[in-house]
Formats: sequence, C-alpha cells, structure tokens
Amino acid sequence: GAVVSQHPSRVICKSGTSVKIECRSLDFQATTMFWYRQFPKQSLMLMATSNEGSKATYEQGVEKDKFLINHASLTLSTLTVTSAHPEDSSFYICSAGPGPWNTEAFFGQGTRLTVV
Amino acid sequence: AQSVTQLDSHVSVSEGTPVLLRCNYSSSYSPSLFWYVQHPNKGLQLLLKYTSAATLVKGINGFEAEFKKSETSFHLTKPSAHMSDAAEYFCVVRNANSGNTPLVFGKGTRLSVIA
Repeated sequence: GAVVSQHPSRVICKSGTSVKIECRSLDFQATTMFWYRQFPKQSLMLMATSNEGSKATYEQGVEKDKFLINHASLTLSTLTVTSAHPEDSSFYICSAGPGPWNTEAFFGQGTRLTVV
Repeated sequence: AQSVTQLDSHVSVSEGTPVLLRCNYSSSYSPSLFWYVQHPNKGLQLLLKYTSAATLVKGINGFEAEFKKSETSFHLTKPSAHMSDAAEYFCVVRNANSGNTPLVFGKGTRLSVIA
C-alpha cells in the first residue's frame, strides 16, 4: 500500500513557541491531506483538510491562525502549531490517499506533542 | 452526513474466546467502511475495509467484518482472541464515491483480553 510519513514522532516544546509537523506521501501524489487530533482516551477528530495549492479548510472550532497548514506540493503538507499552550498537547496524525477514486486512507505514524 | 456509532466503549474477553465489536453507521451516500486498530501510543493500522465488493470482508490477524445494509451495521469479529489483540479499535466511514473526503471515526472500543 501507499506510504505516508509523518515527522517528528514526538516533540516537547515550551509554551509560547511554535512547532512544525510534516506529513509526506512517499510513493504517490496527494492533492488532499487531512489532519486529525486525538486527545487521551478519545477518538480522532478532524481538524482540517489540506488542499494542494489553496487554503486549508478548517473544521468548526479549530483556530486557523493557531494551526497553520501549508500544502505547497503534491507530496508534503505541514501543520504548524503557533504559540503553543499546554492545552495543545495531543496526538496529531495526518492521512492521505492516492484518490480521489481510491477511498482507502493511509496514515502517518502520528506526532505526540507535549507543551510544557 | 455520515456518522458511526460504536455500541460498546469497552469489551473484555478471555483469551481464546470469540470477539465481537459492534458498529452501526449512517450515510447519505454509498459508504466505504473500515476498521482500524491502535495500540497504546502507536499510530493506526488498517484491519480491513469494505468498498462495495463482497459483503463479508476478511482482514489481517484473523479479523473479519460483515456489511449488512439492512441493519446499517459493520460488526468486527474474530473467532479466538489473542493477548496481542488488546488495543483500541475504531470503526470508520467514508463516502464511497470520493477519496478526497475525510474519514469519520467512531468513538472507539477498547478491547481487553484476559489470560
């Protein structure tokens, strides 16, 4: 199957700093990628849809100025958590697929963000 | 709109006994349905998927699921639980006609396996 690589897998940062998470499709091109967030013992919630060459679409309640998404190429989307706070600590995971007619999604390994 | 309901937040079985994790879905379109497993502090692994082919779907590690349109269900089963099956399981739905739509996750079912 297709491979999605996410980096870093784990990051600890200080409050007020910014953190960038990368999501790469290694063997296919992805015009669309999705970013999810998972709080402890909860399910995955969609944060935003990342569209290559255009603005991301954010879900209700997700601050677009805090969670900056850039999808500058067909194989790379980045999520930057700006001015991080402890409540942003979570597991962030991206997904993509060869689509649009292939409905299987492939997930990155996830990024465990801890803000201290 | 699409949604998924996982009927049990926690299921506990003895090793060697059958596993049943229940999932009901709601979809305005023909759905694609998936089951993913997540081990502690790990990413997601696809167990199996239904994409409008055979209604009985066989996946990895002995798991299978049956798509029942009349019951809007996609329950996950395994004949004999193994200790390594202990994990969080997510039932997921997506519009079958588009791979550019996001997946909708159920709340998850935590499977415990007792020795």
